[in-house]
Formats: sequence, C-alpha cells, structure tokens
Amino acid sequence: QVQLVQSGAEVKKPGASVTVSCKTSGYTFTHYFIHWVRQAPGQGLEWMGIINPSGGGTSYAQKFQGRVTMTRDMSTRTVYMELSSLRSEDTAIFYCARDVTTVTTAGGYWGQGTLVTVSS
Amino acid sequence: EIVLTQSPGTLSLSPGERATLSCRASQSITSSDLAWYQQKPGQAPRLLMYGASSRATGIPDRFSGSGSGTDFTLTISRLEPEDFAMYYCQQYSSSSWTFGQGTKVEIK
Repeated sequence: QVQLVQSGAEVKKPGASVTVSCKTSGYTFTHYFIHWVRQAPGQGLEWMGIINPSGGGTSYAQKFQGRVTMTRDMSTRTVYMELSSLRSEDTAIFYCARDVTTVTTAGGYWGQGTLVTVSS
Repeated sequence: EIVLTQSPGTLSLSPGERATLSCRASQSITSSDLAWYQQKPGQAPRLLMYGASSRATGIPDRFSGSGSGTDFTLTISRLEPEDFAMYYCQQYSSSSWTFGQGTKVEIK
C-alpha cells in the first residue's frame, strides 16, 4: 500500500533552517509528483511547492521563493523539504502529499505531518 | 493567483441532516482541477473528491461534488457523526495549488 512517512518533530531557533523528510513506499516513486503543504496552528492549508521525483524539477509558491528547497533521493525514495531563515510565524505542521493519480493533481496520499516549532 | 472562497465559515447541523458547502473561485477553473478534503483535529487532510465530482477511494456515496466554472459544491446527503470536521476545497493551476479557507461542519 502507498505510504508516506515523515520525519519527527523539530524545534528550531529563529534564523535557523529545518529539513523535513518524506519517505515513500508502495508505488513507483518516479511516477507521481510530491507536494508540500503547511498548516499553522489553528489555521488552514497553505501550499508550499511541488517536486517531480523523476527529474527533480521543482516549483515553489511565490511566498516561499528563496527560502524553500525541495529535493529527492531516488535510492531511498525520499523527498526532502528545507526551509531556511526560520521565524516564529513558520511554526506549523508540514505535510507531504502525493498526487492521487498520474494525471490528477489532488493530494490522494498524505504523510502524517511534521510539527516544526520555531522559538528562541 | 486564483483565490477560493468557501462559505459558510461554519455550518451547524444535526446528524442525519444535509450539508451543502460552497467553494467559489475568483476566476473560472477547469472542473478536473477542483478537489475537496476533509480534515479532523490532529489528522492529515483526507481527499474526498477530485475532478469536482469523482469520489476518492473509500469515500461513501453520501458525499457528492458538483459545479463548474467558478462555483462548486460539496454535498453530504445525511450527516453521520464522523462527518463533523473541517472541509477544504483546493484547485490546481499554473503548477500550483490553492486552498479555500475552510468550512467547519459542527454538531448543532
């Protein structure tokens, strides 16, 4: 079965960087795009960007341009999201999500979420 | 950027009642690029509908989606206790997603 398993919670200081991993299994890694979505406490869902595991191509939301980097490791079927220059407003749960089909861009499978807390 | 506006913000209903959730786009979108999610506290979102009207795997048929252009609707025909949750619409365009702000369906 399709599984996306994310890394554990992180606590970071303002100005630091955080890397969240999303290890996938149960499907052909290169066939489905992976998205990253952020959810601040008590708030809605915010799309951060997308990575194509096949070629590594990425597209980021304008809000995060310059601060976010998404990469993948094909040997371990893992996708990474690095967010730099952290500030308190970045405190949130970060989710990875896989497209439901190869032609339908909706989040059919989600990781369990990773809480990142930014605090001095 | 396409903005999605969901209404109402909160829907207070009793089990067994019908729920109608609205999602309006700031410009016309392709129906194939409209999805609905359910999210419960402490859980990741769960895909309910994609392509505006196609139910995702395992979603009961009391959930249905409709609409086109700028106006889309998620209908829950008879609310079950497990349906009280937050609901988000989402669209895909220009290689990006945008979400509505959500509608909370709460027990009256």
